[in-house]
Amino acid sequence: GNSVTQMEGPVTLSEEAFLTINCTYTATGYPSLFWYVQYPGEGLQLLLKATKADDKGSNKGFEATYRKETTSFHLEKGSVQVSDSAVYFCALSTLPDYKLSFGAGTTVTVRA
Amino acid sequence: AAGVIQSPRHLIKEKRETATLKCYPIPRHDTVYWYQQGPGQDPQFLISFYEKMQSDKGSIPDRFSAQQFSDYHSELNMSSLELGDSALYFCASSSLSRGNTEAFFGQGTRLTVV
Repeated sequence: GNSVTQMEGPVTLSEEAFLTINCTYTATGYPSLFWYVQYPGEGLQLLLKATKADDKGSNKGFEATYRKETTSFHLEKGSVQVSDSAVYFCALSTLPDYKLSFGAGTTVTVRA
Repeated sequence: AAGVIQSPRHLIKEKRETATLKCYPIPRHDTVYWYQQGPGQDPQFLISFYEKMQSDKGSIPDRFSAQQFSDYHSELNMSSLELGDSALYFCASSSLSRGNTEAFFGQGTRLTVV
């Protein structure tokens, strides 16, 4: 079956620090990969995605590259802000219906 | 742009009561997914529909049922509610027939069972 393993949190950083959240996956078939963000008390928002090997998804300064050889999709941001404080979920979807399988989530807190 | 609409946003029910959650997908989206997110947990897939037919089923209790109607909106019916059913319930939609696998999420319904 499909599964996602992501770095456990919580992660606490200072503003302008570098953020990395590791994510690895196992999948039957060729997955699409996603990072979702959930701000306190809110729903899930798609942060970025990649649908094939070596694709790089990017949005709001965040980046992640689909690495088929290492089955990874690590999230990075070069300089975090207080407003980036949230829970980040790595996820994948595959045929036939592309339902999402989520990792456990990583809570990130950025301090001014 | 239109988004996925879920109602109600918040719901408080007593044990053994019944709850109905509604989801209105983005127009022309043919696929609906339901997820349950317990406190501090990752979302867990419950059930999905494609073109009004159930397409997949996850860890959905027998007390729960769902359907997708002719206008593509979906309802999740939950009976004999238990305290452990307290969670955030998300609906998501996508347009698989157009080859778009990205799922768009609603804001969720927060169900509290007391």
